[in-house]
Amino acid sequence: EVVLTQSPGTLSLSPGERATLSCRASQSVSSRYLAWYQQRPGQTPRLLIYGTSSRATGIPGRFSGSGSGTDFTLTISRLEPEDFAVYYCQQYNRSPPTFGQGTKVEIK
Amino acid sequence: QVQLVQSGAEVKKPGASVKVSCKVSGNILSEMSIHWVRQAPGKGLEWMGGFDPEDGETFSAQRFQGRVTMTEDTSTDTAYMELSSLRSEDTAVYYCATGGGSYYSPFDFWGRGTLVTVSS
Repeated sequence: EVVLTQSPGTLSLSPGERATLSCRASQSVSSRYLAWYQQRPGQTPRLLIYGTSSRATGIPGRFSGSGSGTDFTLTISRLEPEDFAVYYCQQYNRSPPTFGQGTKVEIK
Repeated sequence: QVQLVQSGAEVKKPGASVKVSCKVSGNILSEMSIHWVRQAPGKGLEWMGGFDPEDGETFSAQRFQGRVTMTEDTSTDTAYMELSSLRSEDTAVYYCATGGGSYYSPFDFWGRGTLVTVSS
């Protein structure tokens, strides 16, 4: 199974700052099959990015994804108050689909 | 627009089984790949299993094999996940999710989750 390791575990930032989240895979993942989800407290996960860099419907442009092979990045260009949440990467290239353990973006 | 409506919260004793339902609207269940994901309190997302409509097979995570059963009733467009031999560590919110017709898709749509509490 593909193990995804996210870093850092927690990111403490202020509104307006840039957030950079990392997701590293234990083996190569096709860029077509890497997604990012956001989960706000008490809410269901929401798809943000799929295919490494494509934004899902309704996702604002401040969210962007990049990467290839085993290293992927989610960037939030300027944090809004509603962006403080937990973010998960997921690979769906090989079964079983797997998630990273999550990165919490908290208000500094 | 696809919607997934899950059954309500359950409280079960250790050793019992629980069956969670996920009713699909906005698409035909038999053409969709439904996955099940759980989240223990304060923990991350854990994939449990999913259905591949292209070959009609159901796959489950190794750690749940022998304990999880995923079924579908296409007459009511409802998917089910049954987990047996429950233990306290199975206390979690259980989600159904789908990316549409392909097993290898991101999960665009999620149910609201079903809280299963395992307690004596």
